[in-house]
Amino acid sequence: GAVVSQHPSWVICKSGTSVKIECRSLDFQATTMFWYRQFPKQSLMLMATSNEGSKATYEQGVEKDKFLINHASLTLSTLTVTSAHPEDSSFYICSARGGASGLSYEQYFGPGTRLTVT
Amino acid sequence: RKEVEQDPGPFNVPEGATVAFNCTYSNSASQSFFWYRQDCRKEPKLLMSVYSSGNEDGRFTAQLNRASQYISLLIRDSKLSDSATYLCVVNGYTGNQFYFGTGTSLTVIP
Repeated sequence: GAVVSQHPSWVICKSGTSVKIECRSLDFQATTMFWYRQFPKQSLMLMATSNEGSKATYEQGVEKDKFLINHASLTLSTLTVTSAHPEDSSFYICSARGGASGLSYEQYFGPGTRLTVT
Repeated sequence: RKEVEQDPGPFNVPEGATVAFNCTYSNSASQSFFWYRQDCRKEPKLLMSVYSSGNEDGRFTAQLNRASQYISLLIRDSKLSDSATYLCVVNGYTGNQFYFGTGTSLTVIP
């Protein structure tokens, strides 16, 4: 149990375009989803926390107008990178945390999306 | 001061060796503690939660020391497949705050 999927797994886009990444919890309802970014040889950096049905909470330094997050249901959150630039190229990982017993504080990660902006 | 600190390593150990990692955290109100494993270019995977009484899962043992504010991970009889980066994760008192260490790199050598 506790499987999280992401789509797409890899995307290449041109500078100035927008990219949408989906994160789904497949076998549990995720009350909270997290979006992280990871640059090579660096640790995960939390970008934002989203709760179903409410606005996402962004970490300091993360532009909310550039990284649009929608958590429309208990099993789906999306991250849209708007007007992507080469410096946005990174590994984007989502995680989900359920509300059920045994899953309440553990995060389960999606497989990540590798974004390359040319 | 960082919320969570880990020795980045790298730790290079021979097969069969025992290796231990420590991780310190700064917020004494932290509630939950985890060890994750991350392979190169892959997502982190939960290795084990860390309970107050300590817990063991096969070759892996996790300990929590609240007084000194650190958690540890012990790997016995290291296997080649244990080579990965081990991430320490601490959950803050509000429940939605998760702090990651920078990870400790382990390479098990044949």
